[in-house]
Amino acid sequence: NAGVTQTPKFRVLKTGQSMTLLCAQDMNHEYMYWYRQDPGMGLRLIHYSVGEGTTAKGEVPDGYNVSRLKKQNFLLGLESAAPSQTSVYFCASSYSISLAENTGELFFGEGSRLTVL
Amino acid sequence: KQEVTQIPAALSVPEGENLVLNCSFTDSAIYNLQWFRQDPGKGLTSLLLIQSSQREQTSGRLNASLDKSSGRSTLYIAASQPGDSATYLCAVRGGTSYGKLTFGQGTILTVHP
Repeated sequence: NAGVTQTPKFRVLKTGQSMTLLCAQDMNHEYMYWYRQDPGMGLRLIHYSVGEGTTAKGEVPDGYNVSRLKKQNFLLGLESAAPSQTSVYFCASSYSISLAENTGELFFGEGSRLTVL
Repeated sequence: KQEVTQIPAALSVPEGENLVLNCSFTDSAIYNLQWFRQDPGKGLTSLLLIQSSQREQTSGRLNASLDKSSGRSTLYIAASQPGDSATYLCAVRGGTSYGKLTFGQGTILTVHP
């Protein structure tokens, strides 16, 4: 089972360049999330989506955009990369908790390591 | 605003010891609490999930308990092994709306032979 797959796994960008991180899940999950993990800061939520065609801002959304055109995919875009966006990015997904039978268990991808020079 | 604290920040034990990791949260209106393991350079692997109506969950040598009223969870690891060395994180999912998740900073566990 693939679970949550992130591409690319590693990327080096120059300041001002743009890129898109792709997250794909094959568990038919409604909820999808993008986090960044930095030393001493823990996991911080960038954007999330509660269903196809919907997105919302998390704690640290500035400098990022997202799209959820298909239920299984959640894209994270950097329009003009900055050194402060050097981080490890994690995608996660879960079933909706609007149904009582869903546990809301969260599943993570392996991470995408981005360096902005 | 939910805040999640994990104590201790780091723990080093000899192989074979039983140990307890602590997680506390400030808002008891939660949907569930999940414990994760993260190996260096890797993603987060789910270990145990406790629903708000449950008191504990067990998987092999791992046992997680939840006391919602006091805002505490513990992860008990029996007969620790060097392979248990990793960072352990707890995450609390809120009980309203879409269920916002709040993570603790993690406990770095080292089990030495």
